[in-house]
Amino acid sequence: DAGITQSPRYKITETGRQVTLMCHQTWSHSYMFWYRQDLGHGLRLIYYSAAADITDKGEVPDGYVVSRSKTENFPLTLESATRSQTSVYFCASTSGILSYEQYFGPGTRLTVT
Amino acid sequence: AQKITQTQPGMFVQEKEAVTLDCTYDTSDPSYGLFWYKQPSSGEMIFLIYQGSYDQQNATEGRYSLNFQKARKSANLVISASQLGDSAMYFCAMREDNYGQNFVFGPGTRLSVLP
Repeated sequence: DAGITQSPRYKITETGRQVTLMCHQTWSHSYMFWYRQDLGHGLRLIYYSAAADITDKGEVPDGYVVSRSKTENFPLTLESATRSQTSVYFCASTSGILSYEQYFGPGTRLTVT
Repeated sequence: AQKITQTQPGMFVQEKEAVTLDCTYDTSDPSYGLFWYKQPSSGEMIFLIYQGSYDQQNATEGRYSLNFQKARKSANLVISASQLGDSAMYFCAMREDNYGQNFVFGPGTRLSVLP
């Protein structure tokens, strides 16, 4: 199916475990983003990528790692999950044109116990 | 400094009435875009409307319009003829052309439409 997908949709993990959230888009958009959404904070940018093999930190990158070996995929890894990383994670993509909105995935609800 | 400010954590409006959701922004980039998104209780992010910094006219999309006052750095969303399905969180966001392509989001306003 065309669009932007995230997997898993729900994940429960334990403190200290590594977990990877997947994001896949079919539009060949150059830019991809990871946000976390917490009550009272809106959406905060974790990492973004301008193209394959080009990534950069956002507002809250600590504890997260990203890679982008292919244009369509942008996985987010929590190397050693902490309870403070319990959140809803959104992946988004957009073209490089200013007027184009970001298209969001459905979100992944991650709980770290 | 906060780049996007939404001062109304929650708003109530009567069905069929109009409502204005406030958004102010801060940027030194002359080229930027402003966006509004809706997030219903189901959680997905839905794009509503876009306004470019060089656009001369206010953007409109159906029942949504954007009251863009560039000198005041405000980009308020106006929803006309509110419907029960408009109850949701609304986020204002900005994209600066010369400071990377990432979006900055405000904290959101929760709109409740009363029957």
